[in-house]
Amino acid sequence: DQQVKQNSPSLSVQEGRISILNCDYTNSMFDYFLWYKKYPAEGPTFLISISSIKDKNEDGRFTVFLNKSAKHLSLHIVPSQPGDSAVYFCAASANTGGFKTIFGAGTRLFVKA
Amino acid sequence: DTAVSQTPKYLVTQMGNDKSIKCEQNLGHDTMYWYKQDSKKFLKIMFSYNNKELIINETVPNRFSPKSPDKAHLNLHINSLELGDSAVYFCASSASLGTGIGNTIYFGEGSWLTVV
Repeated sequence: DQQVKQNSPSLSVQEGRISILNCDYTNSMFDYFLWYKKYPAEGPTFLISISSIKDKNEDGRFTVFLNKSAKHLSLHIVPSQPGDSAVYFCAASANTGGFKTIFGAGTRLFVKA
Repeated sequence: DTAVSQTPKYLVTQMGNDKSIKCEQNLGHDTMYWYKQDSKKFLKIMFSYNNKELIINETVPNRFSPKSPDKAHLNLHINSLELGDSAVYFCASSASLGTGIGNTIYFGEGSWLTVV
């Protein structure tokens, strides 16, 4: 049972344009959401996060939006750069149930120069 | 300095063998994890330890046995390896249990295990 879903396996964007990566979750107990970025042959690295009490968090070119009623979050990257090409994992965690952080399957982003 | 380091990075071994993957973190964290990335690319938690105590043990075959000699180390031993064990295994750590920015999970580079 996938509690965190990233329905787009890949996304291709032109350099300078906006990249929007989407994530849906099913467990209403999740109270913290994260995005990780992963390059080939490396481990995932933390990118940005958002608490369930907020609906937006911005860090430079990266903004995460949370819509709790829709159980949906998205990561916006603007402007997109070729170095942003990577796999992006959405993750969610809750302060119950053993404090597990659940990851989605990832979306591979290609930014074309 | 590498924050979470795991060895070996690549491991090819035959079915039935026993192998170990070692992990160390120098972040001073209390909590460590093993995650498995399978062929479908999902990152699934296997185990978590907090201050050397087992906290999470997902439905992992008991051929997988984690060992935490101290807070900074969490090793994974796998007995009687099977073809389906081929995957990437990621060690990770966080400051403590719980959610929030203070408990962000930091990952190692991964260990690519291939069972032939």
